[in-house]
Amino acid sequence: QSLLTQPPSASGTPGQRVTISCSGSSSNIGSNTVNWYQQLPGTAPKLLIYSSNQRPSGVPDRFSGSKSGTSASLAISGLQSEDEADYYCATWDDSLVVFGGGTKLTVL
Amino acid sequence: EVQLLESGGGLVQPGGSLRLSCAASGFTFSNYAMSWVRQAPGKGLEWVSTISGGTAFTYYADFVKGRFTISRDNSKNTVYLQMNSLRVEDTALYYCAKGTPGYNYGTFDYWGQGTLVTVSS
Repeated sequence: QSLLTQPPSASGTPGQRVTISCSGSSSNIGSNTVNWYQQLPGTAPKLLIYSSNQRPSGVPDRFSGSKSGTSASLAISGLQSEDEADYYCATWDDSLVVFGGGTKLTVL
Repeated sequence: EVQLLESGGGLVQPGGSLRLSCAASGFTFSNYAMSWVRQAPGKGLEWVSTISGGTAFTYYADFVKGRFTISRDNSKNTVYLQMNSLRVEDTALYYCAKGTPGYNYGTFDYWGQGTLVTVSS
């Protein structure tokens, strides 16, 4: 049972906006920034959002992150077929790194 | 260009040991925290251990404490994961990941391709 809770699945059609939530507690999300990772099928994870709302160089601005209290969200606008992947949130929690269970995004 | 190349995975019997290595290049290795993250077949990401840059503080997930040891050799730009008393549930693809200075230890800006550890009799 992960300390960070994500919905196991999400879906949308091309062009839509989808959001993925990540719920934690005061000791993790409530006290630290949140990172999001994208894992395309058969590949290593890739940093998508760091420090809750910052995009690394090369990540399209279709991806955005936010945090409020003990929850965080990843939003993907203008959904594309290549966005079909697993998405994970992660943060620090009292000397531990914690990951969410992951959300499988399907582009219909 | 940052590169992380893991090695040392393989098939081991329950109770056995393995040492994973991650050779890094393309950045000043000694300055950065390094971590191991694993992924069991068909499952999600699971953090295993982190070693800080500089002072080399170590952190472990509860399920590996006392069994796994993370270390680094800055002269060889390599981080290691010594795994003892391996269990069937340790079977996973083990990724090496580079930390991002100035951000919490859950911030991994580069990942290797992973090395597969299979624990089975």
